[in-house]
Order: sequence, then structure tokens, then C-alpha cells
Amino acid sequence: DTGVSQNPRHKITKRGQNVTFRCDPISEHNRLYWYRQTLGQGPEFLTYFQNEAQLEKSRLLSDRFSAERPKGSFSTLEIQRTEQGDSAMYLCASSLTGGDDGYTFGSGTRLTVV
Amino acid sequence: GDSVTQMEGPVTLSEEAFLTINCTYTATGYPSLFWYVQYPGEGLQLLLKATKADDKGSNKGFEATYRKETTSFHLEKGSVQVSDSAVYFCALLKAAGNKLTFGGGTRVLVKP
Repeated sequence: DTGVSQNPRHKITKRGQNVTFRCDPISEHNRLYWYRQTLGQGPEFLTYFQNEAQLEKSRLLSDRFSAERPKGSFSTLEIQRTEQGDSAMYLCASSLTGGDDGYTFGSGTRLTVV
Repeated sequence: GDSVTQMEGPVTLSEEAFLTINCTYTATGYPSLFWYVQYPGEGLQLLLKATKADDKGSNKGFEATYRKETTSFHLEKGSVQVSDSAVYFCALLKAAGNKLTFGGGTRVLVKP
């Protein structure tokens, strides 16, 4: 297994444009999580899926954000009408149900909105 | 709500010095506790964990003991190396919870 893969690694976009990120989790993991990390801060939870069902969304996830995991495998996170405040590292992680063994994180997608 | 508080960094040490990073938490019930490490340009990696009171997690010379009475999970290493320079995150996962809650991170810089 190659771990959790995220693409792209970096994305620079103009304010107002839409962006989409992809996450490929560890294949045996049924849970997938999205976090956002700004400079000097810890990761903040955005949303998570169990298989294809999106079970929880943070208040941080405004209506400009949408996440999908259509077949319970890879996931996409889309941000519409990007704002400068969306600039951050977006982290994806996966785990088996419960997560007591810890999550496996990808390397993240760094978004810069100019 | 649940929260994790870590000592602020940066922590600057000389090689072979003793490292302690304080972590305290607020949560109902009996959470599992974790330390993650983030090396420059990389994602978070699980360093160690403890799932119940008095458990000691250990890995790569790092240790942390789950202290329920003080709601703490301090990270220690007896002799740090330059390669330990990274950002360290303490996190909790509630027994019936669905997401890790992280502290703000502590940057550690080890000088030769």
C-alpha cells in the first residue's frame, strides 16, 4: 500500500475561482477525513466519511465547500468562489472504523488564493 | 467542547538534551490520546498513542504517559537528535467520537 495520496500538492488560484482536490485513502480503510491546517496552527476538522456516507461536517465547512466520496474509495473536496481566507493546507486522512489505531495522513494540498 | 492545549514553541535544544512537551486535554469520558509529528514538507505521522489511563505509549525513544488525574499526556525524549526537529501535535479521540481533535502544535528545533 502506498499510503494516503493527495493531489495536487500545490494549487495557486485566483480569488473567485473554483478548485477541487483529490484524496486516495488506504484501500482497506473505510473512514476518510478532511482537515484544514493554517500556518502555525493544528489541523482543524472539516468533515468525514464512512464508506460513501458523509457523516459529519464542521461549522468551518461553509456552503462554498463540498466533499464527496462517491464509491467509498477516493474523495474530492471542492471549494467554490475561493476567498483569500481559504488559503491553507488541506489534509486528508483515513482509518479503520473507530480510529483507535490512529489516522494515516496524506502529505496535503497547499492552496494559495491570490 | 473537547480541546487540547500544548505548550507554545519554538523549543530550541542542543543535541542530546532532554525534551519535554506539555499537553493537557479537556474532554468528557475516556479519550484515546496521540502524539503526531510533522517533519518539514511532510504530512502528519503517528508517533505514539495511549488508549487508557496509566498507559505509556513509546516509539523512537519518545514516551508519553496517559495521566487521567491531571488530564495530561506529556511527551518526553531523553536525548534528542537533530533529526527530531519537527512540529509535534498532541491529539485526542473520544471513545464514541468520530474525529481527532488536535492541539496547536509545538515546534522543536534541535541544534548540533
